[in-house]
Amino acid sequence: GNSVTQMEGPVTLSEEAFLTINCTYTATGYPSLFWYVQYPGEGLQLLLKATKADDKGSNKGFEATYRKETTSFHLEKGSVQVSDSAVYFCALLDGGATNKLIFGTGTLLAVQP
Amino acid sequence: DTAVSQTPKYLVTQMGNDKSIKCEQNLGHDTMYWYKQDSKKFLKIMFSYNNKELIINETVPNRFSPKSPDKAHLNLHINSLELGDSAVYFCASSPIMGGEQFFGPGTRLTVL
Repeated sequence: GNSVTQMEGPVTLSEEAFLTINCTYTATGYPSLFWYVQYPGEGLQLLLKATKADDKGSNKGFEATYRKETTSFHLEKGSVQVSDSAVYFCALLDGGATNKLIFGTGTLLAVQP
Repeated sequence: DTAVSQTPKYLVTQMGNDKSIKCEQNLGHDTMYWYKQDSKKFLKIMFSYNNKELIINETVPNRFSPKSPDKAHLNLHINSLELGDSAVYFCASSPIMGGEQFFGPGTRLTVL
């Protein structure tokens, strides 16, 4: 079945450092891909998405490109802030009859001042 | 103005009790979902409803019963609560099957 693998955390960075959180997927076809963010004590918010190969999703300085050759959707940000500290989830949309999101295990990002 | 709301936010109860979590969305969406997030933050789909019709029941014990009185509501009833049911439960909705999903703030259930 379809699945998502993301890098284990926690990832600890200093403010203004470059961020990469790796995400790879296994799927039949080309599912839509998402990054969700969960701030401490809050629910999930959609951060960005890409619906087809070579699409780049971007939001709040974060970017991710849908790469079908490497089945990857890595999350990047050029300069992180303390306020970016959160858990980040990569997910794919398992379409067809189910329409369920399949999530990776989440990566905790801690940004220190 | 909350798009997807859940009540209660926190629920602490004893083993063996029956409890309900309510979810409402004011986005006019057709599809609603319940996800469970365990203590390691892992998220997994439990149920989905489209236009009040059950679409997904993802090998969840039958102690869990979703109920959708209308398109805007999807409630989760849990009978005979067990310690392993302790988790954060998220409700979500999407405009169409395949559309972006919007999540509620979550309900943290603690079973003692």
